[in-house]
Amino acid sequence: DAGVIQSPRHEVTEMGQEVTLRCKPISGHNSLFWYRQTMMRGLELLIYFNNNVPIDDSGMPEDRFSAKMPNASFSTLKIQPSEPRDSAVYFCASSLGTGTDTQYFGPGTRLTVL
Amino acid sequence: AQSVTQLDSQVPVFEEAPVELRCNYSSSVSVYLFWYVQYPNQGLQLLLKYLSGSTLVKGINGFEAEFNKSQTSFHLRKPSVHISDTAEYFCAVHDDYKLSFGAGTTVTVRA
Repeated sequence: DAGVIQSPRHEVTEMGQEVTLRCKPISGHNSLFWYRQTMMRGLELLIYFNNNVPIDDSGMPEDRFSAKMPNASFSTLKIQPSEPRDSAVYFCASSLGTGTDTQYFGPGTRLTVL
Repeated sequence: AQSVTQLDSQVPVFEEAPVELRCNYSSSVSVYLFWYVQYPNQGLQLLLKYLSGSTLVKGINGFEAEFNKSQTSFHLRKPSVHISDTAEYFCAVHDDYKLSFGAGTTVTVRA
């Protein structure tokens, strides 16, 4: 199994540009999570999907952020327009279920907004 | 909401010495606890988890943790560390459907 796949691994963009981060969860996993990691705020849950349906997006910072999961094998996190304070490492994780099943993390996307 | 507090932000340790990383949780109900490790420039990887049963939990890479209900703690230990254990370690608590992570402890192993 290839694990959780994220792309791109690194993204450098200018303020105001649209950024799209991509995630392919582990096959058969029903839950998908997007996290953001920064020095100041640590690991924050942005949004959680179960069976492709967004269940909790209370962690999404503001309307500039949106996430979709059109099918069980693909999810995107979009930032439009991007701002320097969005610079962070964004992780996608998936798990079999919603209980205490282990979350498997992707390698992350390091986003730098200039 | 449930939460965890990691008491040490940085822990330097010499190779082959023991290490303990401290984690306290805040919950008066059933609690499920996890330790994850993040190696440089990588995603998080599960080390071990406590769901129920024996309070001593053994994980990968020689790590173990002890669940202590009276102290509301879940400290992580390794009797002898290697250079390759240099990483950031996160304690987490299961909170409904999600994990709430601590701030992390950076372990630096020196020769």
